[in-house]
Amino acid sequence: AQTVTQSQPEMSVQEAETVTLSCTYDTSENNYYLFWYKQPPSRQMILVIRQEAYKQQNATENRFSVNFQKAAKSFSLKISDSQLGDTAMYFCAFANYGQNFVFGPGTRLSVLP
Amino acid sequence: DTGVSQDPRHKITKRGQNVTFRCDPISEHNRLYWYRQTLGQGPEFLTYFQNEAQLEKSRLLSDRFSAERPKGSFSTLEIQRTEQGDSAMYLCASSVPGQGNTEAFFGQGTRLTVV
Repeated sequence: AQTVTQSQPEMSVQEAETVTLSCTYDTSENNYYLFWYKQPPSRQMILVIRQEAYKQQNATENRFSVNFQKAAKSFSLKISDSQLGDTAMYFCAFANYGQNFVFGPGTRLSVLP
Repeated sequence: DTGVSQDPRHKITKRGQNVTFRCDPISEHNRLYWYRQTLGQGPEFLTYFQNEAQLEKSRLLSDRFSAERPKGSFSTLEIQRTEQGDSAMYLCASSVPGQGNTEAFFGQGTRLTVV
């Protein structure tokens, strides 16, 4: 069974600084997808960024980028120029080709003014 | 397109009662997922549908839980004989799987409190 681990239950960062959230996963598959989702307080979950495992190039979306290390089964999220609106729970998720999504336990990120 | 809609948003029920939740996915999304999330935890997979077919059920889904998607559009999740341990946020998501997994779009969830 696939598992996703996020070793940082809570993190904080000063506004405008950079923070990196860690994620590792376990799978024997070769084709899969990795995601970072954001869940603001009392609001619905939204996708931050997605990475296909067959792509070597790391995905980037504006201030958000990932460091995907397939051999190490590591998928970290870097948030640059942190903003107060980035305060949220962040979930790393894994999905095999065509299968359901498996989520990690989450990291609570607080952006401090 | 109004996104994934879930109803009700909140439900308080007495232990032993049955409850039913509804999810309306984004139109033309043929895949629909149900997840359960307890406070401070990540979503736990319950089940998912491809159109009207229920393709996978988690071992978390005891025989008190049943989900349907009769016409491949909206879905219902029923919990019979509710227990206090069923208190959680129940999330619905939909997606359009193509060559691989596209993103799952989530609803705002139904928060169930069993007293």
